Amino acid sequence: NAGVTQTPKFQVLKTGQSMTLQCAQDMNHNSMYWYRQDPGMGLRLIYYSASEGTTDKGEVPNGYNVSRLNKREFSLRLESAAPSQTSVYFCASRSTGLNTEAFFGQGTRLTVV
Amino acid sequence: GESVGLHLPTLSVQEGDNSIINCAYSNSASDYFIWYKQESGKGPQFIIDIRSNMDKRQGQRVTVLLNKTVKHLSLQIAATQPGDSAVYFCAETPGGFKTIFGAGTRLFVKA
Repeated sequence: NAGVTQTPKFQVLKTGQSMTLQCAQDMNHNSMYWYRQDPGMGLRLIYYSASEGTTDKGEVPNGYNVSRLNKREFSLRLESAAPSQTSVYFCASRSTGLNTEAFFGQGTRLTVV
Repeated sequence: GESVGLHLPTLSVQEGDNSIINCAYSNSASDYFIWYKQESGKGPQFIIDIRSNMDKRQGQRVTVLLNKTVKHLSLQIAATQPGDSAVYFCAETPGGFKTIFGAGTRLFVKA
């Protein structure tokens, strides 16, 4: 049981380049999330998907797009990377309802130069 | 607005002592308040949650207290161990699906 798997683990981009961060979960969870974590900071919600077919903005959505490809997969796209997007990105999933426990991936460390 | 913050950014305790990590929240409409633990290089891991209509909940070596009057949440860890060294985040769920995190407290356990 892999849980939440993120790829890649590390990435360096030049300003203006685009890329997609991939996330997949094998727990049959309804909800999936993308967070970013800057040094010494908490996690800030970028986008979330409450269920397959829906996506919503979180606290810091500007500069990002998401796709809930199916129940398992939720990708995050940076269309034109900026140095301010240098961060560690975490994907999470949760079964929702009365269950608040979210399961996180190992993170993607992204550097934009 | 929605925000969850922490009183102490760093906490250092002696092994075997009890630890208390505090958190202030601002959104009274949250259904649940949650504590996560994050070890270096890893994603956060769920510890315990408490529903907004409760004052106290106990888990294995951990207790969460919720004081809605002053919008305060705390995590108590009994008999703190070196393996408890990590960053601890409080979080809340305004509106059900979203989970909003605070800035975190780093816990150091001295042997």
